[in-house]
Amino acid sequence: QVQLVESGGGVVQPGRSLRLSCAASGFTFSIYGMHWVRQAPGKGLEWVALTSFDGSNKQYADSVKGRFTISRDDSKNTLYLQMNSLRPEDTAVYYCARADPSAWYAGFHYWGQGILVMVSS
Amino acid sequence: QSVLTQPPSASGTPGQRVTISCSGSSSNIGSNSVFWYHQLPGTAPKLLIYRNDQRPSGVPDRFSSSRSGTSASLAISGLRSEDEADYYCSTWDDSLSAVVFGGGTKLTVL
Repeated sequence: QVQLVESGGGVVQPGRSLRLSCAASGFTFSIYGMHWVRQAPGKGLEWVALTSFDGSNKQYADSVKGRFTISRDDSKNTLYLQMNSLRPEDTAVYYCARADPSAWYAGFHYWGQGILVMVSS
Repeated sequence: QSVLTQPPSASGTPGQRVTISCSGSSSNIGSNSVFWYHQLPGTAPKLLIYRNDQRPSGVPDRFSSSRSGTSASLAISGLRSEDEADYYCSTWDDSLSAVVFGGGTKLTVL
């Protein structure tokens, strides 16, 4: 069965960096686009970034553009999110999600359990 | 302010039919597939509907959706207590080059 397991979250001071990982299993990782989505405490869902199946197409939300980088390592079946210059407003649960096979840029079929990132001094 | 507009709340009694609307524009719902998710408290979202009106395996046919023009709607028939959750619509926005979500609708089963 499809499994997505995030790791790397925690408490970090403003301005510092953190790298999230998402370990994928139960499917052929290399043929799917992948996304990161976040949810601030008590708030709705906010899309963060996407990568195409081959990493050639990456898109970012304006709120993280220039600070966050999405990447993938197909040899490790792992998706990453490098987060630099973190701000308190980046505090959220971060989910990785596997894209729809056809409308890969628009929606997601499977979600990880989420990992909490808290940016606080 | 979310790009897609959903009512913040909806409610119904067991057995009833409820609908949740999702309003957008020509650059998002008007030209791209709509997805619906639901989220129980403290858990990750789950896919409910993909590509406008397709149900993943395991999602009961009590859930249906449609898209017309720049709006979409999710219908839940035969409402059950376990349907109480937050519901979100999403799609791609061509102008923003971003995935956009509705603000979410909290469904209460009375």
